[in-house]
Amino acid sequence: QSALTQPASVSGSPGQSITISCTGTSSDVGGYNFVSWYQQHPGKAPKLMIYEVSHRPSGVSNRFSGSKSGNTASLTISGLQAEDEADYYCSSYTSSSTFYVFGTGTKVTVL
Amino acid sequence: EVQLVESGGTLVQPGGSLRLSCAASGFTFSSTYWMNWVRQAPGKGLEWVANIKQDGSEKYYVDSVKGRFTLSRDNAKNSLYLQMNSLRGEDTAVYYCARLNSGTHGFDIWGQGTMVTVSS
Repeated sequence: QSALTQPASVSGSPGQSITISCTGTSSDVGGYNFVSWYQQHPGKAPKLMIYEVSHRPSGVSNRFSGSKSGNTASLTISGLQAEDEADYYCSSYTSSSTFYVFGTGTKVTVL
Repeated sequence: EVQLVESGGTLVQPGGSLRLSCAASGFTFSSTYWMNWVRQAPGKGLEWVANIKQDGSEKYYVDSVKGRFTLSRDNAKNSLYLQMNSLRGEDTAVYYCARLNSGTHGFDIWGQGTMVTVSS
């Protein structure tokens, strides 16, 4: 099972919107609505930001939104803030024996 | 407060063994949640390692650790364990304990992680 493909880095200015893509296959992203997104600041544990493609856990800012089309899921951060600078990982349930696969990770830089 | 606290990570020689622990608090550990280990090699991404059903009757592992790692849980002690044998350099990573919401398949609670270094 290969990792889901994400861009290595995405950047934007404060207040702008950015979108991070996450590309898999019909065995994972395309086959299930079980895509999650995680934010990880340096030296910290990951934090769940989006589950089931587009749902936000309680306490997560509504500036974070998710969507999916075919084998590609996306995370959009609107009104970019300095605190959003972090690594972001997608994850999907998969029909393979691995059960869960993560993306390669995207470093978000706030210019 | 819902919390997961890992322990047991250390420096170990190749071929050696190690047991990681994860103590859970603030939620009903025994009846509701699959528990998982996810690891992150230095400077690398996240990798799902293994999970175990609420009652311990089902366990699943990533191919690279099958036959070497064994997952268990003690619901009376609200604890999760990962027995790691025949350790290799590529097992070097921060190991996170993570709670899985089996309805949404999202890892909704994470521990702070424990570092395992396999080196001579």
